[in-house]
Amino acid sequence: QKEVEQDPGPLSVPEGAIVSLNCTYSNSAFQYFMWYRQYSRKGPELLMYTYSSGNKEDGRFTAQVDKSSKYISLFIRDSQPSDSATYLCAMSLRDDKIIFGKGTRLHILP
Amino acid sequence: DTGVSQNPRHKITKRGQNVTFRCDPISEHNRLYWYRQTLGQGPEFLTYFQNEAQLEKSRLLSDRFSAERPKGSFSTLEIQRTEQGDSAMYLCASRVWDGTEAFFGQGTRLTVV
Repeated sequence: QKEVEQDPGPLSVPEGAIVSLNCTYSNSAFQYFMWYRQYSRKGPELLMYTYSSGNKEDGRFTAQVDKSSKYISLFIRDSQPSDSATYLCAMSLRDDKIIFGKGTRLHILP
Repeated sequence: DTGVSQNPRHKITKRGQNVTFRCDPISEHNRLYWYRQTLGQGPEFLTYFQNEAQLEKSRLLSDRFSAERPKGSFSTLEIQRTEQGDSAMYLCASRVWDGTEAFFGQGTRLTVV
């Protein structure tokens, strides 16, 4: 079992829909959770960064962490064609490397 | 300082040649990470530094790979005797300290022909 599991998609949704992206993980010691957005042939761009269980909102984006289930989510409201990208979940211990999921390819259909 | 800078952005090399990539982290970021990413995969950890000390190397990092961060600022990643399987995007990231946000550069895309 990989440390971080993420469905690679692709996931296609119509413009304006709510998008839900998810990751599961196996190491209950992970403390820091991140979501990155990556456009083709570009470096990952940090979208959300959370430490504890619960929700964190930033504009159209909401990150959710459920440590008891070892499950994290990213919700995108009012999705736009410009949101079409690969979304990477990532996590780490306090004093360790960052581990990434494979990424989910998202297509927002105009 | 606008972010993590990586050079070159693209590199095409012949099999067997040596290549070196450079990463300039965000100023005052103590942690620096190198990752490799192939098409359709997430970034795979290679190595990371705390200032000039290399704290961990992945088993992915064969003897042909070496990284250093001599003064705790910029870092270089060298690949000796390149192979076609080394073709990938090489990404650098930095963070102030453990447990803080990590920011990535735009990557160096290596093509070995």
